[in-house]
Amino acid sequence: EPEVTQTPSHQVTQMGQEVILRCVPISNHLYFYWYRQILGQKVEFLVSFYNNEISEKSEIFDDQFSVERPDGSNFTLKIRSTKLEDSAMYFCASSSGQWGNTIYFGEGSWLTVV
Amino acid sequence: DAKTTQPNSMESNEEEPVHLPCNHSTISGTDYIHWYRQLPSQGPEYVIHGLTSNVNNRMASLAIAEDRKSSTLILHRATLRDAAVYYCILGKTSYDKVIFGPGTSLSVIP
Repeated sequence: EPEVTQTPSHQVTQMGQEVILRCVPISNHLYFYWYRQILGQKVEFLVSFYNNEISEKSEIFDDQFSVERPDGSNFTLKIRSTKLEDSAMYFCASSSGQWGNTIYFGEGSWLTVV
Repeated sequence: DAKTTQPNSMESNEEEPVHLPCNHSTISGTDYIHWYRQLPSQGPEYVIHGLTSNVNNRMASLAIAEDRKSSTLILHRATLRDAAVYYCILGKTSYDKVIFGPGTSLSVIP
C-alpha cells in the first residue's frame, strides 16, 4: 500500500538553528499538509499546499515556518530559527483530493529543540 | 465549521464489538464523515468515511443516522492493536484540511 514517508524520524537541534523536515507524499497525490503534535496534546494543523502554493495556514504557521516542494516528489517544512516550544512530532500528509478528501499521514518526525 | 462531539474515553473487552459514537448535529449536506485513529507513537491513520449510506471496509463499519446528525464507528472484534484515539471529523468534498478534536481514547482489555 502506498505510504507517506518522512525523514528524519528524530532530530535534536539547538535553539536558534534551522531545521528542515522532509516528506515524500504518495505519488499521485496533489494536496499536501503539515501537522504537529506537542507531547500529550492533540494533532494541530499547520499548513496545506496545492499547486505549488500555500492554500491555507493556521496561526501557528508564522514567519519562522516555510514549506516547499523543491521537485516532483519531496515536500519540506523548514523552521528558520527553532525555539524550545517547537519541540513536537511533525506529521506530513497528502491527499488526492477526491472522494471526500481522505488524508494519509506519515509516521512523523520527532523534533527536539534543546 | 461544523463540530463533532465524542466521549473522552471508552473501554472494550478483547474480541468483542465496539461502537464508538459521534454527534454532529450541525453537519451540512456536503460534509463527509471521516474517522481516523492514532495508535500510540504513530501518525493518524484513516479508518473509514461516508456521506449518507452505511459503509464497510476491512477495518470497520460506519453507521450513519438517517438525519446524519450522528454516526457510529463499529469495530466488529476489538483487538489489543485497536487501542488508540479515534477521531470523528467532518470534511468537505474539496481539499479542506482535517481538524482534529480530542477524540475518544479506546482501551481494549485482554
